[in-house]
Amino acid sequence: GAVVSQHPSRVICKSGTSVKIECRSLDFQATTMFWYRQFPKKSLMLMATSNEGSKATYEQGVEKDKFLINHASLTLSTLTVTSAHPEDSSFYICSARDGGRETGELFFGEGSRLTVL
Amino acid sequence: GQNIDQPTEMTATEGAIVQINCTYQTSGFNGLFWYQQHAGEAPTFLSYNVLDGLEEKGRFSSFLSRSKGYSYLLLKELQMKDSASYLCAASDSNYQLIWGAGTKLIIKP
Repeated sequence: GAVVSQHPSRVICKSGTSVKIECRSLDFQATTMFWYRQFPKKSLMLMATSNEGSKATYEQGVEKDKFLINHASLTLSTLTVTSAHPEDSSFYICSARDGGRETGELFFGEGSRLTVL
Repeated sequence: GQNIDQPTEMTATEGAIVQINCTYQTSGFNGLFWYQQHAGEAPTFLSYNVLDGLEEKGRFSSFLSRSKGYSYLLLKELQMKDSASYLCAASDSNYQLIWGAGTKLIIKP
C-alpha cells in the first residue's frame, strides 16, 4: 500500500525557536497533501491544504505566517512552526491523496508530537 | 452548515459485535470514510463507501445510506487490539473531508 513518512516523530524545542516537519510520499506522487493538528482527545483539525508548486490554502483561524507550508515536489511537503510557543505543543499529522486511486483515500504520516518548553 | 455526529464513547466485550453510527450533513457528497486511530498514532484507513449498501472487509463492515445521511461501522469478533478511536469523515463537493470527533471504543475482557 501507499506509504507516507513523516519526520521527526517527536521534537522538543525551546520557546521562540522554529521547527520543521517533513512529510514524504514514498511510493506515489501526491499532488495534494494535508496538514492536521490534533489536540488530546479531539478529532483532527485541518490546518491547510498543500498543492505542489503553489501556495497552501489555510483554514480559517490558522496563521499562515506562523505555520509555513511548502510543497516543492510531488513527494515532499514541509510544515514549519515559526517562533514556537507552548500553546503550539500538539500532535501534527500530514496526509497525502494518491491521485492514482479512485477512492481518493488519504494516507497518513506517523505524526509528529511537538513539545514547546 | 456541515456536520458529522458520532457517539463519543462505546464499550463492548471481547468476542462480541459493536456498531458505531455516524450521521452527516455536507454540501455535496463524495463518499464516507472510516478511520481507526490508536492513542498517540496517526489514523489508518478502514473503509470507503460512496454507494448505498454494505461493504464487508474481514471482521469490519461499513454501511451507507445516502438518502438518510447515515453510515455505520460494524466490528465483529472484537479483539482487545480493536480498542481505539474510530473516526467518521465525509467528503463534500470539493472533496474536502469533514471529520467527526471520533468514537472511543473500549473493549473489555
